[in-house]
Amino acid sequence: DAKTTQPNSMESNEEEPVHLPCNHSTISGTDYIHWYRQLPSQGPEYVIHGLTSNVNNRMASLAIAEDRKSSTLILHRATLRDAAVYYCIHYSGAGSYQLTFGKGTKLSVIP
Amino acid sequence: ETGVTQSPTHLIKTRGQQVTLRCSSQSGHNTVSWYQQALGQGPQFIFQYYREEENGRGNFPPRFSGLQFPNYSSELNVNALELDDSALYLCASSLGGGGVSGNTIYFGEGSWLTVV
Repeated sequence: DAKTTQPNSMESNEEEPVHLPCNHSTISGTDYIHWYRQLPSQGPEYVIHGLTSNVNNRMASLAIAEDRKSSTLILHRATLRDAAVYYCIHYSGAGSYQLTFGKGTKLSVIP
Repeated sequence: ETGVTQSPTHLIKTRGQQVTLRCSSQSGHNTVSWYQQALGQGPQFIFQYYREEENGRGNFPPRFSGLQFPNYSSELNVNALELDDSALYLCASSLGGGGVSGNTIYFGEGSWLTVV
């Protein structure tokens, strides 16, 4: 099983940056790190993914440690709409896209 | 909007009955996966279909079965429903069957199943 470790919950004030950490010490060299988030009563939503170097898109940035055993999802300015459960996942891509979801980090945004 | 649509959105069934859930994948995606998400838990992988063949299965009993059609849409069937089958069932679509770790997977909004 591809296992990741995340804090159960985090809080942020609205319009402040948020850094969501993830440990993935069993990651192999070719596994990408993916982040998804799930708003209440919705399906998981793709946020960002990367392999070695840091990545940016319109939603977030992903900072990957040099040894790839950890990563951080960065939301530059948290909004109320960012309140969700954030999942960090890696999968080998071999055989099937079997994603192993942990419990994720529940992010609360305080107005 | 991910382009992955699921139906029905909500349904209630009685223990022992059978249920069929449907999923239309994103245009061009040939791979469909199904997940079960119990309340307060992360999604759990049920199985995946690639080009109409099952090519991956999680730890679910045989009464969970599926189909993929030539247009890549898919069905999840659950027989002999149990109370613990009450959950959100998620469909996810992607490309390539699972050979590329960098491919993105897109989820639908899910079907809420309640078994009474």
